[in-house]
Amino acid sequence: EAGVAQSPRYKIIEKRQSVAFWCNPISGHATLYWYQQILGQGPKLLIQFQNNGVVDDSQLPKDRFSAERLKGVDSTLKIQPAKLEDSAVYLCASSLDLFSYNSPLHFGNGTRLTVT
Amino acid sequence: AQTVTQSQPEMSVQEAETVTLSCTYDTSESDYYLFWYKQPPSRQMILVIRQEAYKQQNATENRFSVNFQKAAKSFSLKISDSQLGDAAMYFCAYRALGAAGNKLTFGGGTRVLVKP
Repeated sequence: EAGVAQSPRYKIIEKRQSVAFWCNPISGHATLYWYQQILGQGPKLLIQFQNNGVVDDSQLPKDRFSAERLKGVDSTLKIQPAKLEDSAVYLCASSLDLFSYNSPLHFGNGTRLTVT
Repeated sequence: AQTVTQSQPEMSVQEAETVTLSCTYDTSESDYYLFWYKQPPSRQMILVIRQEAYKQQNATENRFSVNFQKAAKSFSLKISDSQLGDAAMYFCAYRALGAAGNKLTFGGGTRVLVKP
């Protein structure tokens, strides 16, 4: 099966600019996650979707970050305006659904964002 | 809130030798899952092994095994017969069940270096 696809692979922007990341989960996976991984740290959950609904966005800085999954498949994560501290790898993951606890999360290769 | 702690920032091992990575976690739940993920330079998180908290038997996957001590809230990973391809960041992760929505909480990671 095809894995989780993310683009772009790398992005360099200046502070106060905007940026968007795209994720296509594994076919049939209802749950989609966006994680932020700052260099030298473990991934931190930003937002979790079940189909096109938000399950958890408690860690999402909503003044500058937004995410959507309009048709319950692809998702985009946007930052506007970007700050220096947003430099990180943004990982997208998907899993079968909320209650298949034995179903692992499958991760994409991530987008490395550098804000200068 | 659940927390996951990895106290070893970096571990070095000789090829063909054994290395053990430590992980402790904090939770008030009685049922949950624990995972070890590997993250090579490609950035993709790869599932290494998982453990269900209700199972007393420690999980094993080929050269990878865990020592799960539920009362101590400890979950260590042993890599036997280390190979050059094992060099990567390793993350311990916790998954609550039920209303928590099936998301993963990660530790800060341990870098494993394998010496030829």
